[in-house]
Amino acid sequence: GAVVSQHPSRVICKSGTSVKIECRSLDFQATTMFWYRQFPKQSLMLMATSNEGSKATYEQGVEKDKFLINHASLTLSTLTVTSAHPEDSSFYICSAKKDLKLFFGSGTQLSVL
Amino acid sequence: GENVEQHPSTLSVQEGDSAVIKCTYSDSASNYFPWYKQELGKGPQLIIDIRSNVGEKKDQRIAVTLNKTAKHFSLHITETQPEDSAVYFCAADPGGGGADGLTFGKGTHLIIQP
Repeated sequence: GAVVSQHPSRVICKSGTSVKIECRSLDFQATTMFWYRQFPKQSLMLMATSNEGSKATYEQGVEKDKFLINHASLTLSTLTVTSAHPEDSSFYICSAKKDLKLFFGSGTQLSVL
Repeated sequence: GENVEQHPSTLSVQEGDSAVIKCTYSDSASNYFPWYKQELGKGPQLIIDIRSNVGEKKDQRIAVTLNKTAKHFSLHITETQPEDSAVYFCAADPGGGGADGLTFGKGTHLIIQP
């Protein structure tokens, strides 16, 4: 398999603040990473595709100015939730492909108060 | 785009019995079908996958079958154990294994009764 590390695993923040989530591929290089959002008891919803060295591609309905994605190296992608509000509370999961297979990080539970 | 339907949404089986989860897909161009297991509060874990050039793949107690004509694939877990309790997601790759994201089913909550 492959190891995708995601941090933090849980974060609580106040409304209006920004939160950064990191996703690292530990034993392989990933030119493309994916960010998903998951609500309780629901499936994974693709938010955006992160491309190393270029702009991310966002899915329809996802605000690019709210969910900032940076993929500055072949092993690191970050998702920043800007000016977070309670409705942004969710489970965020990153993933990366190795040998055409998709591997996921452990997820970040974001709670906005 | 691709659409993946997954059934059942909840499945309860006695420990030691078999469990079967079924998925259908809509895009005939899809040729990669992984299955993920997600435990509470964790990210999905790839447990088995199959490509369209084979009809069945097995890994110990887990097997996946694929019927490309009917556009459906299934996960089979034999001799179920308490640690098999989790949510299972099927997925289809509309990009054929390229750099696109997967399309997921809605998930099956598998409950193993002791």
